[in-house]
Amino acid sequence: DTEVTQTPKHLVMGMTNKKSLKCEQHMGHRAMYWYKQKAKKPPELMFVYSYEKLSINESVPSRFSPECPNSSLLNLHLHALQPEDSALYLCASSSRPDSSYEQYFGPGTRLTVT
Amino acid sequence: GEDVEQSLFLSVREGDSSVINCTYTDSSSTYLYWYKQEPGAGLQLLTYIFSNMDMKQDQRLTVLLNKKDKHLSLRIADTQTGDSAIYFCAESLYSSASKIIFGSGTRLSIRP
Repeated sequence: DTEVTQTPKHLVMGMTNKKSLKCEQHMGHRAMYWYKQKAKKPPELMFVYSYEKLSINESVPSRFSPECPNSSLLNLHLHALQPEDSALYLCASSSRPDSSYEQYFGPGTRLTVT
Repeated sequence: GEDVEQSLFLSVREGDSSVINCTYTDSSSTYLYWYKQEPGAGLQLLTYIFSNMDMKQDQRLTVLLNKKDKHLSLRIADTQTGDSAIYFCAESLYSSASKIIFGSGTRLSIRP
């Protein structure tokens, strides 16, 4: 099983809402990643979790709050987002933090903030 | 600095070879990658090459790396309609092995 799953597939939320994005992998990977991809742009790294601990935060605003409850799950909690946060949010995993050459990506959650 | 550049568009005839080019600036790259993204989908890792290699071939895909010129290319032989997608060149660095830096992507379109 080389699959990374993400739910929901689509999400529409207002600026006052609180919602969460979920990501799951069962490959035994110990590094998990959140990326943001705006339309017609490349993905941009947001967070890296290494062995369930946050190891990289690319200066992401605090309205995005990541959580890694266990080695298979990665959440991204959203609160008080802005319309410019509308994007495709991609989750990825790799066996180790230094094995970026085998990052597997999920299909993404397309987020629209109204 | 970290910078990966690609041309934005490429159009090829079905059955011909496609060559997508990429340049990068950081000489401390460890791995260089090609990812494929179809409309509305996530990224699929097509292939990668370690920075001390010159060439890698995998079925219809050939990757060439010229370290002196910091130039990476992806050749797709016998291009098919299913190859229509955006292709991202990317690199990771010794200094931050977890981080992948993506180019802007090349949109490949196939004409009959």
